[in-house]
Amino acid sequence: NAGVIQTPRHKVTGKGQEATLWCEPISGHSAVFWYRQTIVQGLEFLTYFRNQAPIDDSGMPKERFSAQMPNQSHSTLKIQSTQPQDSAVYLCASSSRGANYAEQFFGPGTRLTVL
Amino acid sequence: AQKVTQTQTSISVVEKTTVTMDCVYETRDSSYFLFWYKQTASGEIVFLIRQDSYKKENATVGHYSLNFQKPKSSIGLIITATQIEDSAVYFCAMRGSNYNVLYFGSGTKLTVEP
Repeated sequence: NAGVIQTPRHKVTGKGQEATLWCEPISGHSAVFWYRQTIVQGLEFLTYFRNQAPIDDSGMPKERFSAQMPNQSHSTLKIQSTQPQDSAVYLCASSSRGANYAEQFFGPGTRLTVL
Repeated sequence: AQKVTQTQTSISVVEKTTVTMDCVYETRDSSYFLFWYKQTASGEIVFLIRQDSYKKENATVGHYSLNFQKPKSSIGLIITATQIEDSAVYFCAMRGSNYNVLYFGSGTKLTVEP
């Protein structure tokens, strides 16, 4: 069984450029979560979809960050005009309705470096 | 609001011994879920074990077990017969009953030495 797939694994952008991160959840999982991990803030929630619908984006920075889930097999996180403080590991996780969305299974993450 | 606190920054043990990692949480939910995850050196985050708040029995999976003390809002992770490959950062996390987002502690780095 394939786990959560995230691409690219590493991305380097220049300040002001756009970055798009991709996530493919585990097949059959209907909930997708995005988290960000930094040394200073640790693991923090960004946004959450269930059955492709956005449920909560309270963790997303209000400007420059957006997320979509156009179909059940992938979600994207887009960061416009990237800034050095956006450098982090961005993690995607998915969970199953059958497990009451309890356990979340994480992808390997995308390490974003903004120069 | 949910809050998870891990006060142990790092722990070092000799292999084949037992280690306990502490975690306390705050929530106003009457029903909630508690989890432990492990992050390996490669960055992979792996789900280990879960405790549902309404269950009195401590969860056990392989050589992982939990010490759930609800009155103290505490969920400790116990690893018995530790192995070198258990070396990792361990995160405690929780979610409420009607809200699926996980809130994580800051992590405890475990080093298992020969």
